[in-house]
Amino acid sequence: DAGVIQSPRHEVTEMGQEVTLRCKPISGHDYLFWYRQTMMRGLELLIYFNNNVPIDDSGMPEDRFSAKMPNASFSTLKIQPSEPRDSAVYFCASGPGYEQYFGPGTRLTVT
Amino acid sequence: GESVGLHLPTLSVQEGDNSIINCAYSNSASDYFIWYKQESGKGPQFIIDIRSNMDKRQGQRVTVLLNKTVKHLSLQIAATQPGDSAVYFCAENMGGGGSRLTFGEGTQLTVNP
Repeated sequence: DAGVIQSPRHEVTEMGQEVTLRCKPISGHDYLFWYRQTMMRGLELLIYFNNNVPIDDSGMPEDRFSAKMPNASFSTLKIQPSEPRDSAVYFCASGPGYEQYFGPGTRLTVT
Repeated sequence: GESVGLHLPTLSVQEGDNSIINCAYSNSASDYFIWYKQESGKGPQFIIDIRSNMDKRQGQRVTVLLNKTVKHLSLQIAATQPGDSAVYFCAENMGGGGSRLTFGEGTQLTVNP
């Protein structure tokens, strides 16, 4: 298996623009997680899905952030409009249960 | 204003020595724990896990010890190698049926040749 796949690996955008991050989980995993990692706050859980259904979105910072999982093999995290404080590395992880396997991350820079 | 990042605990060891990385967890109801390794520019990598009904679990060159009495978790790495240099995170699942993990702040391990 190729592991969790994320795209793009790097994204540089201007404040106010829409950003869409993509994730393909490991086949057969029922859980998908979106995290954000910064030097200031470390690794934070934003939202997670079970069988494509959002279970806990309490970590989503505000209404500018939204996440979808239209099918078992694809998820998106969208930021609209983006702000400089959204600059971070965003990780997607998937797992069969408690275990979570992380993708390589998307480094987002908002100028 | 000046930004302040997390100040990670650090551990520096000589190549070939054994390393012990410690973690205090917060919730006595946590029933599952994982250690992750994160190298610079990469995502966290699963190393080893342990359930709360165990107090020790061994993998290849790694051992995790769980002391529920004092809510303490440790990761032991035998014969540490330069490739082991990374940030190590412990994570706990707080039970209750959900799959949410809560991550610790991490420890920076540096292996000196």
